[in-house]
Amino acid sequence: AQKVTQAQTEISVVEKEDVTLDCVYETRDTTYYLFWYKQPPSGELVFLIRRNSFDEQNEISGRYSWNFQKSTSSFNFTITASQVVDSAVYFCALSELLYNTDKLIFGTGTRLQVFP
Amino acid sequence: KAGVTQTPRYLIKTRGQQVTLSCSPISGHRSVSWYQQTPGQGLQFLFEYFSETQRNKGNFPGRFSGRQFSNSRSEMNVSTLELGDSALYLCASSREGQGGTEAFFGQGTRLTVV
Repeated sequence: AQKVTQAQTEISVVEKEDVTLDCVYETRDTTYYLFWYKQPPSGELVFLIRRNSFDEQNEISGRYSWNFQKSTSSFNFTITASQVVDSAVYFCALSELLYNTDKLIFGTGTRLQVFP
Repeated sequence: KAGVTQTPRYLIKTRGQQVTLSCSPISGHRSVSWYQQTPGQGLQFLFEYFSETQRNKGNFPGRFSGRQFSNSRSEMNVSTLELGDSALYLCASSREGQGGTEAFFGQGTRLTVV
């Protein structure tokens, strides 16, 4: 069964702290994509990153970095030197290619609050 | 480049009524998906349309339906509204619809059923 688990419901940090958001996934497929989305209070989901199952290289984009480990079925997201503007709900999602669909399976999200 | 536009942004309906929500995808995008977001169930997939055809459907009752027009705009309809249908309904569009494609989301329609 396809499933995405974000065990951290809510995380609170003080500005400039580093924070890691965990994501664990389950899939039977060998070919799949993983995503991270950010949902600010305005409601829309903002795309952050996509990673396919064949590319286990970690990625860094400014203060954001992602660690993909197939061995542990995890795709964790780290924000370095967090800022108040990072406060949002973050979702990890899985897309399987087997059925040629754009359907996303989302985790339950992690609410990040960054205090000044 | 305009993003995904959903209308209306807010809606209040009475139990038993029906409602139609609209989504205009990014120009050139042919795939449109709909999601329901509630505090209890999180983000759940409703359905997906590609080139006017429903390609995938989530586990929702038949009261939830949708369609896509030739210009890729999409509508979803909920009939005989129930209190539990109160949610944020999000529409997402993507270019190719081949799976694993980056999806762009609208700001959603917040539906309240009273």
